[in-house]
Amino acid sequence: EVQLVESGGGLVQPGGSLRLSCAASGFTVSNNYMSWVRQAPGKGLEWVSVIYSGGSTYYADSVKGRFTISRDNSKNTLYLRMNSLRAEDTAVYYCARDYNGEHGFWGQGTLVTVSS
Amino acid sequence: DIQMTQSPSSLSASVGDTVTITCRASQGISSYLAWYQQKPGKVPKLLISAASTLQSGVPSRFSGSGSGTDFTLTISSLQPEDVATYYCQKYNSAPWTFGQGTKVEIK
Repeated sequence: EVQLVESGGGLVQPGGSLRLSCAASGFTVSNNYMSWVRQAPGKGLEWVSVIYSGGSTYYADSVKGRFTISRDNSKNTLYLRMNSLRAEDTAVYYCARDYNGEHGFWGQGTLVTVSS
Repeated sequence: DIQMTQSPSSLSASVGDTVTITCRASQGISSYLAWYQQKPGKVPKLLISAASTLQSGVPSRFSGSGSGTDFTLTISSLQPEDVATYYCQKYNSAPWTFGQGTKVEIK
């Protein structure tokens, strides 16, 4: 059974850092495109980042230079390192397994709150 | 970057009505367009990929069409369980931008 379980969210002060994890089971992370998508409270979906099976990475302009997507093949886990966090980064962060680019399977999400 | 514009932002329709949601890309994206459904408090769900390919298990009352810059999601006979926000997303190249969403309610 395919599963994605996010963790690592929480309350962090502006300017702080956080690392989100997304543990996968039922498939191999490194053989798939994997994405992070976020949703601010009461707002729409915002694509954040993708890592291709070949290792190429891409980011939304809003997080470029601050966030880093990576994976650990031995742990079959996807990560999102978030630095220099801002209030506008407050959101539920979802990881997703992509099919041919579309987000075919989503985790349950982890909430990140940036506040002093 | 390519912008995705959905219309309307919200709609209210009766059970059994046909509902149409439009998504327009600011540049051509071929058929690299997906539609998602997000019910209140739930995780988004992929409904349609490649503009018109219905995902397994999705009711046949949902359909998608279009290519290039103009796309449509149609619900042919609206049901109470279709109350949700619907998003389009382009995925031809990064960034994979979402539309702003269309909230569908029952009248």
